[in-house]
Amino acid sequence: QSALTQSASVSGSPGQSITISCTGTSSDVGAYNFVSWYQHHPGKAPKLMIYEVSNRPSGVSSRFSGSKSGNTASLTISGLQAEDEADYYCSSYTISNTIIFGGGTTLTVL
Amino acid sequence: QVQLQESGPGLVKPSQTLSLTCTVSGGSISSGSYYWSWIRQPAGKGLEWIGRIYTSGNTNYNPSLKSRVTISVDTSKNQFSLKLSSVTAADTAVYYCAGGPGGRNLENWGQGTLVTVSS
Repeated sequence: QSALTQSASVSGSPGQSITISCTGTSSDVGAYNFVSWYQHHPGKAPKLMIYEVSNRPSGVSSRFSGSKSGNTASLTISGLQAEDEADYYCSSYTISNTIIFGGGTTLTVL
Repeated sequence: QVQLQESGPGLVKPSQTLSLTCTVSGGSISSGSYYWSWIRQPAGKGLEWIGRIYTSGNTNYNPSLKSRVTISVDTSKNQFSLKLSSVTAADTAVYYCAGGPGGRNLENWGQGTLVTVSS
């Protein structure tokens, strides 16, 4: 299975909004509404930010939102804050009952 | 709050078998519909899902690693384990264990453990 496609990097200033996209195929992203997004600060455990395309776990800021259209999912972070600077990974459940990750996007808060 | 902790050797010789254990605390490994996964991250690279297990013993593996991977569960110890055979330097990575309801997302993660493959 090939990794989902994410842009390598994105940047924004505090207070701005950014969107990270995640492109897969009809066998993964397009097959189900089981796309998740993880925030990963180096040296720490990844943190689930969005599950099932657009749901936020308890405790995750409403500044984080997710959506999907066809084979592409998106994560939007509004009102950027310095602590949002991290690597972000999308993942999708697949028709083969496996999980596949994106290559990761590094968010820089300018 | 469920917590996970990886343990195992930090150094494995090429061609040998990498073995790691994940201990689940704060809840039963058999509770709910949780699936338990292993993920790894080589230095400077992205996350790679290795495989998962349900407490019934049902497993699913990444096709690219399937021939070398075995994931097992010991409900009496609240642990699940990873074995990766015939390792090479390319298997050097931080290995994470994680779990989530329904097996489609990973809600809880361990802190990760670095495994280096070197003679």
